[in-house]
Amino acid sequence: QKEVEQDPGPLSVPEGAIVSLNCTYSNSAFQYFMWYRQYSRKGPELLMYTYSSGNKEDGRFTAQVDKSSKYISLFIRDSQPSDSATYLCAMNTGRRALTFGSGTRLQVQP
Amino acid sequence: GAGVSQSPSNKVTEKGKDVELRCDPISGHTALYWYRQRLGQGLEFLIYFQGNSAPDKSGLPSDRFSAERTGESVSTLTIQRTQQEDSAVYLCASSWGTSSYTGELFFGEGSRLTVL
Repeated sequence: QKEVEQDPGPLSVPEGAIVSLNCTYSNSAFQYFMWYRQYSRKGPELLMYTYSSGNKEDGRFTAQVDKSSKYISLFIRDSQPSDSATYLCAMNTGRRALTFGSGTRLQVQP
Repeated sequence: GAGVSQSPSNKVTEKGKDVELRCDPISGHTALYWYRQRLGQGLEFLIYFQGNSAPDKSGLPSDRFSAERTGESVSTLTIQRTQQEDSAVYLCASSWGTSSYTGELFFGEGSRLTVL
């Protein structure tokens, strides 16, 4: 079993929809949670960074961490075609390198 | 440069050949990582350098893989006797990070390796 599980998609939504992306994990020692966005043939770029449980909002993006359920989410409001990319969750304990999910491919249709 | 620079961007090689991939991190970043991304997969950690500390090599998949870093500058990932399963995009990232692995990672665009 992988430490971090993520549905690969693809997830196709119409422009303006609310998108929900999720990851589950098995290592209860994970404390730092991140979401990266990766456009085709580009390197990942950091979208959101959360320490421990709770919510964090940045513009149209909201990250949620539920440590009791070992479940993290990324919500995108008013989705745009430019949001079409692969979204990777990542997490770590602070004592070793980031563990990434396999990524969810998102397509926002105009 | 402004970002993490990797070369070559694409490399096609024959099975059994050695390859070298280069990473030039953001100036001043003390931490440097190599990750591997197979088609349709997430990122697989390979190796981590932090300043002058001994590197964390726990992710290297076999002794055919090695990496070096000169001080806090350029790093080279070497794959000896390449196999077809080594085909992947090799991503380098750097960060300000301390020893706690928690710094934001800035990724290069990757070196796409194809082993025939």
